[in-house]
Amino acid sequence: DAGVTQSPTHLIKTRGQQVTLRCSPKSGHDTVSWYQQALGQGPQFIFQYYEEEERQRGNFPDRFSGHQFPNYSSELNVNALLLGDSALYLCASSLGGEQETQYFGPGTRLLVL
Amino acid sequence: KQEVTQIPAALSVPEGENLVLNCSFTDSAIYNLQWFRQDPGKGLTSLLLIQSSQREQTSGRLNASLDKSSGRSTLYIAASQPGDSATYLCAALKANQAGTALIFGKGTTLSVSS
Repeated sequence: DAGVTQSPTHLIKTRGQQVTLRCSPKSGHDTVSWYQQALGQGPQFIFQYYEEEERQRGNFPDRFSGHQFPNYSSELNVNALLLGDSALYLCASSLGGEQETQYFGPGTRLLVL
Repeated sequence: KQEVTQIPAALSVPEGENLVLNCSFTDSAIYNLQWFRQDPGKGLTSLLLIQSSQREQTSGRLNASLDKSSGRSTLYIAASQPGDSATYLCAALKANQAGTALIFGKGTTLSVSS
C-alpha cells in the first residue's frame, strides 16, 4: 500500500513565476491538507480539502490556491512567487475524522531565486 | 489562537541516556496531540498520537504523555541511540465545523553521540 506521494521532489523557480505541486493521498483517505515548512521552523497549515472543496484555510494569501480531484489527489498552486515562498511543502492525508492521524508525504522542496 | 512551544530547541546527549522533550500549547481545546520525527531534508514520520481523552501512549522506547489542563505534553525517550538523532516536532490538532488543522511547534533537534 503506497503512502502519501508528492511530486516533484525538488523545484527551482524565479520570482514572479507560478508553480504547481501535486499530492496523492494514502489509499482510502479522502482529506488532504497542505503545510509550508520554512527552514528551521515548524510546518504552517495552508489549507485542507475534502470532497473537492477547500474547507479550512490558514493565514496564507490568495496567491496560494488548491484543488482536489474526484480521486482525492490534490494540487497546490502558488502564483507570483516571492523569495519567501522558498520552503518544504508537505502534503498530509487523513480519513477526515477529527481523531484521525494525518500521514505526511516526503514533501516538495521549492527554491525561489 | 493556538500556539505550540517546544523546549529545548536543541539537545545533545551521549548514547544510552534517557531524555525528555517538552511541548506546551496555549489552548486546551485540542482533539489530539501528535509527536513526529523529521530527518534532515525529509518529511514527517508520526511517532505517537494521544487522543484528548488519553493521558499517555507508548511505542517501544518512546512514551508520550498529555496533560490538557496544564497545556503540556512530554516525549520520553529511553536508552537513546545515535539513530534517534533527528528533529522532533509536536503538533496539536485543532478542529472546528470547517475542518481540522495541525498546529506545530518549531521542534527540538536531538543529537545522540556514540
